[in-house]
Amino acid sequence: DAGVTQSPTHLIKTRGQHVTLRCSPISGHKSVSWYQQVLGQGPQFIFQYYEKEERGRGNFPDRFSARQFPNYSSELNVNALLLGDSALYLCASSFRTLGGGPAETQYFGPGTRLLVL
Amino acid sequence: AQSVTQPDIHITVSEGASLELRCNYSYGATPYLFWYVQSPGQGLQLLLKYFSGDTLVQGIKGFEAEFKRSQSSFNLRKPSVHWSDAAEYFCAVGQAGTALIFGKGTTLSVSS
Repeated sequence: DAGVTQSPTHLIKTRGQHVTLRCSPISGHKSVSWYQQVLGQGPQFIFQYYEKEERGRGNFPDRFSARQFPNYSSELNVNALLLGDSALYLCASSFRTLGGGPAETQYFGPGTRLLVL
Repeated sequence: AQSVTQPDIHITVSEGASLELRCNYSYGATPYLFWYVQSPGQGLQLLLKYFSGDTLVQGIKGFEAEFKRSQSSFNLRKPSVHWSDAAEYFCAVGQAGTALIFGKGTTLSVSS
């Protein structure tokens, strides 16, 4: 079975530009979360989507936005890029049920490495 | 505030020796607990998880972890380390419908 896939794998942008990152969850998984991992740190939560609705948002500026499509894939958009946005962006999927438990386990993709110059 | 602390930034272990990576958390209720491993330039791979029940959980690659509620800890152990275990290890906590909170990670080096 295919795991979580992300595209592109690497990206170089300049300050002020816009970027779109894409994620396809594991088949059958309905929840997608996005995390930012800067060098030397643990991942930081950006967004969570479940059944196409935003279910959680981390402490990130409004320049960051996301959406989930009917097939449960997701896009993360970042506007007006800053040097500090350079990071590994990780997508995670989970089956997620209202009852919680092991269905909450998040499985991560390989990430998109974004470099802002 | 909810947080995860991994006190050891970098640990070096000889190949074949035992390993213990520490994780302490601060959370309002008993959280779900996870250990992930990340090889250089890669995403996160789930090693093991705890939701409820037996406080000693087994994972992949011979890893295990023990949940100690009284100490708010979830330490990761392996009886005999292999060179391929060199990587960065992250402890994470969460609950149903919430985001994972990660520690800053522990880098494991394995010497021959």
